[in-house]
Amino acid sequence: EDQVTQSPEALRLQEGESSSLNCSYTVSGLRGLFWYRQDPGKGPEFLFTLYSAGEEKEKERLKATLTKKESFLHITAPKPEDSATYLCAVQGGTGNQFYFGTGTSLTVIP
Amino acid sequence: DVKVTQSSRYLVKRTGEKVFLECVQDMDHENMFWYRQDPGLGLRLIYFSYDVKMKEKGDIPEGYSVSREKKERFSLILESASTNQTSMYLCASSLSGASGPQHFGDGTRLSIL
Repeated sequence: EDQVTQSPEALRLQEGESSSLNCSYTVSGLRGLFWYRQDPGKGPEFLFTLYSAGEEKEKERLKATLTKKESFLHITAPKPEDSATYLCAVQGGTGNQFYFGTGTSLTVIP
Repeated sequence: DVKVTQSSRYLVKRTGEKVFLECVQDMDHENMFWYRQDPGLGLRLIYFSYDVKMKEKGDIPEGYSVSREKKERFSLILESASTNQTSMYLCASSLSGASGPQHFGDGTRLSIL
């Protein structure tokens, strides 16, 4: 079954405490993996696209990496403004569909 | 910069009403999508469209219909609103072709009383 699983569901970090979020997938024929940030009451905001294993993308304190079965979103020295839900989506499968994970809720405590 | 605009941020309607949610994108994207997002269930696809006047059912189309008369506009219609359709509704668009991200609007928080 094609699916995307994110872990942990929730993560609390102290300001400056680096960590990683995980997105594992069983979707066949990967066409792209996408990371989004979603603030409460707003739509998901696109962050990164990864297309092939070994690829990395960076933006400020965020770095996304991709292997054949999973992706990691590394957060280095997070700040309270990084608090949000981070969603992972995979495009692929027989119908070239999008599959979304249920997200990781990140809280960064000052 | 990409822009997907949903007509209302908050909407309150009554059971049995016909409800229209509007979405407009200014990126000339071929693909448009409607999702609902509920706590613990994530994003669930209601309908999508790959071209003007074309529509495809997603995972949960029951109780909904859509209309796409122009490339930039995709409307979601709740034929007879029910309380279990209270949710956050998100519209998204993307380019056709091989692959690429979907870009989302800010959502409509719909409450059915």
